[in-house]
Amino acid sequence: QQQVKQSPQSLIVQKGGIPIINCAYENTAFDYFPWYQQFPGKGPALLIAIRPDVSEKKEGRFTISFNKSAKQFSLHIMDSQPGDSATYFCAASRAPGNTPLVFGKGTRLSVIA
Amino acid sequence: DGGITQSPKYLFRKEGQNVTLSCEQNLNHDAMYWYRQDPGQGLRLIYYSQIVNDFQKGDIAEGYSVSREKKESFPLTVTSAQKNPTAFYLCATRDRALTEAFFGQGTRLTVV
Repeated sequence: QQQVKQSPQSLIVQKGGIPIINCAYENTAFDYFPWYQQFPGKGPALLIAIRPDVSEKKEGRFTISFNKSAKQFSLHIMDSQPGDSATYFCAASRAPGNTPLVFGKGTRLSVIA
Repeated sequence: DGGITQSPKYLFRKEGQNVTLSCEQNLNHDAMYWYRQDPGQGLRLIYYSQIVNDFQKGDIAEGYSVSREKKESFPLTVTSAQKNPTAFYLCATRDRALTEAFFGQGTRLTVV
């Protein structure tokens, strides 16, 4: 049973476009929702994260929107660049901070010039 | 140089052989995790340890074993019982007081 469902599997956008990646979760005990970025052959790195007490968080060109009632959250990348081409994973976990993260299946983003 | 070191970067295993993947950290984090990554499957949890001398099975523990004798080290053994071990293996750490999980650079295991 997949606890975090991510869509789409792949996404192609033009440079300057705004790709949107969506995730949905079932476990209402989750209270931490990060997004990770992974380049080929490398480990994932934290991009941005949100707690359920806020509906939106912005860091640079990256924004998380969070809808607690719908149990959904999404990543928006403003003014996307070819260097943003990577695989993006959403994840979720319960408190405390050392419990395992549960990951979505990933979205492969290609930004073409 | 702080962080998580996984070794080797590439590993080749013959049929029926056990192999051990190394994960060492100097972040002083209590919790360590092993994930397996296959194309289109995301990251699936194999084993995790929240404290020294204790570890828990994840979603796909069959055919794998771990130990946690030191806080800094969490080696993963892929046994001959794992029928499809070819994958990218990622080690991660997390601190109870923080939220961010840190990942190593991974080990790519191939069966030959």
